Amino acid sequence: SYVLTQPPSVSVAPGQTARITCGGNNIGSRRVHWYQQQPGQAPVMVVYDDSDRPSGIPERFSGSNSGNTATLTISRVEVGDEADYYCQVWDSSSVHQVFGTGTKVTVL
Amino acid sequence: QVQLVESGGGVIQPGASLRLSCAASGFIFKDYGMHWVRQAPGKGLEWVAFIRFDGSNKYYADSVKGRITISRDNSKNTLWLQMNTLRPEDTAVYYCAKDPCRRGAGDCSLDFWGQGTLVIVSS
Repeated sequence: SYVLTQPPSVSVAPGQTARITCGGNNIGSRRVHWYQQQPGQAPVMVVYDDSDRPSGIPERFSGSNSGNTATLTISRVEVGDEADYYCQVWDSSSVHQVFGTGTKVTVL
Repeated sequence: QVQLVESGGGVIQPGASLRLSCAASGFIFKDYGMHWVRQAPGKGLEWVAFIRFDGSNKYYADSVKGRITISRDNSKNTLWLQMNTLRPEDTAVYYCAKDPCRRGAGDCSLDFWGQGTLVIVSS
């Protein structure tokens, strides 16, 4: 089955840029979606189809996808961005949705 | 606005059955596929199942296949997850989530999520 690998944690100072990677075999050929999950809350989609933002999501959130790595970039990080982030793709060979292992973003 | 409200969770003994419900509103339910996703305590997200807008196709994670059935009633705007032969490792918060692609095949993102319902499998 298809596997998505994320770093367990990323630390960043307020105002700086956080980059969260999502590794998968030839992930660049797939559409990648990203979710933010605040403690005790349901996930919220922050980027879909590699780099599109849903309505209401700040422009500070952006995505890219190429080769074997997709990246979620959070610019001008705020304390409120502290959360778990998950990438997700559709695996057509198994007809499964697949989530990444998750990354905890800590704002120092 | 889109609202998804799960219910039916609780504490249940190993080997028992449970049915979760998800009441949908704020969108044309009969036009969209729906997912169930779960999250064990302190763990990551695990996709569980998908049902197409008209119920014509259903997909399941390998970890639950044969024990779990996803279904829907478009006249009641309701999604269900029937879980049988529950195991301690099924303990999790179960979320229902909407597929954004109208009449899609399940290969899109999950654009709206409910708040989840907690299932604890323990003797």
